[in-house]
Amino acid sequence: QQQVKQSPQSLIVQKGGISIINCAYENTAFDYFPWYQQFPGKGPALLIAIRPDVSEKKEGRFTISFNKSAKQFSLHIMDSQPGDSATYFCAASPGTALIFGKGTTLSVSS
Amino acid sequence: DTEVTQTPKHLVMGMTNKKSLKCEQHMGHRAMYWYKQKAKKPPELMFVYSYEKLSINESVPSRFSPECPNSSLLNLHLHALQPEDSALYLCASSRLAEAYEQYFGPGTRLTVT
Repeated sequence: QQQVKQSPQSLIVQKGGISIINCAYENTAFDYFPWYQQFPGKGPALLIAIRPDVSEKKEGRFTISFNKSAKQFSLHIMDSQPGDSATYFCAASPGTALIFGKGTTLSVSS
Repeated sequence: DTEVTQTPKHLVMGMTNKKSLKCEQHMGHRAMYWYKQKAKKPPELMFVYSYEKLSINESVPSRFSPECPNSSLLNLHLHALQPEDSALYLCASSRLAEAYEQYFGPGTRLTVT
């Protein structure tokens, strides 16, 4: 069964801290692992994505770490800001669709 | 232009009404998607269109009827909906075989009374 498991369900981080969200998958046929960010009242927006042949990808304050043997990947948000407060979805893509994790609600307190 | 537009923003309809949701993109994407999203849940895939043809239907009830009149437009026709169909309906588009990079519209908030 195609599934992506995401944790934690919610996360509270102090301003300037590091936010870490974890995901695990089972199917090895996925070719991309993206993260989406969704603000209330908006559609999800692609934040960053990684291919399974890369162990880490960094874009600004956002980093994906990918562990192919463990079938796990994670999102690290460095220097977290109140404007990062949103719901984050990890996902996996077999090419023709997206399979989302259940989401993590991040609150960054100032 | 990386925008996907959706109309209307909000829709309230009775269980006997017929209404349509509209989605438009001008990025030249040949894959378009409809999702349903309930509060505090991930988007749930309903339909995928590739080259204006329906390629994936995730066992969606027939009271939802998708249509892709051309490569820029996607419609979702609604008829005889149930209160549990109340949700945010999201449209998205992507390049073919690059479903990992989808561009989502802001959604239509549907309430069925």
